[in-house]
Amino acid sequence: EVQLVESGGGLLKPGGSLRLSCAASGFTFSNAWMNWVRQAPGKGLEWVGRIKSKPNGGTIDYAAPVKGRFTISRDDSKNTLYLQIYSLKTEDTAVYYCATGGMTSRAGLDYWGQGTLVTVSS
Amino acid sequence: QSVLTQPPSVSAAPGQTVTISCSGSSSNIGNNFVSWYQQLPGTAPKLLISDNNKRPSGIPDRLSGSKSGTSATLAITGLQTGDEADYYCGTWDSSLSAGVFGGGTKLTVL
Repeated sequence: EVQLVESGGGLLKPGGSLRLSCAASGFTFSNAWMNWVRQAPGKGLEWVGRIKSKPNGGTIDYAAPVKGRFTISRDDSKNTLYLQIYSLKTEDTAVYYCATGGMTSRAGLDYWGQGTLVTVSS
Repeated sequence: QSVLTQPPSVSAAPGQTVTISCSGSSSNIGNNFVSWYQQLPGTAPKLLISDNNKRPSGIPDRLSGSKSGTSATLAITGLQTGDEADYYCGTWDSSLSAGVFGGGTKLTVL
């Protein structure tokens, strides 16, 4: 059974930083493309970024609003995906989901974690 | 303002059919695969349709997807109260080099 478990969220102050983790199991993580998607309170889904598998080059793409402040990485030895956020802004307040797959692929985003809430407030 | 345009809400009675539209452009829907997601209140999104019209295992055939040109449509027949949720379309935008979602459509089963 595919499982994705996000962690690392919490209440943080503007200007700070944090690292979210997504622990994966039930599939071959090293071959999977992985995504981060966020959802601000009461709002729709926003794609944050994607990291391809290393066999596919490990390419990372980001949404324009987060480019330069967000960094996606992966540790295939730990079956874990990361999202590092720098210079936190109040508008980063959202539930952050990790998801397998790719929006360029036929499969779409086929499995999702339960999400972790990040609240940025002074 | 989302790159993909969906109606904010749709509604229909139990047993009826509803369609949700998703409009884009040649840089996204027109030349990439469309997927659809259901988000029940308080839960994570779930993939309903991939590759424009393919249902993953476990998704009932009451749900179907289609694509024509720069638009896509999700159809749900035999509506049930359990179908009340937010629905999102998604695809890749080749000009932005980014994934994009529609703004979401809230389905109410009257």
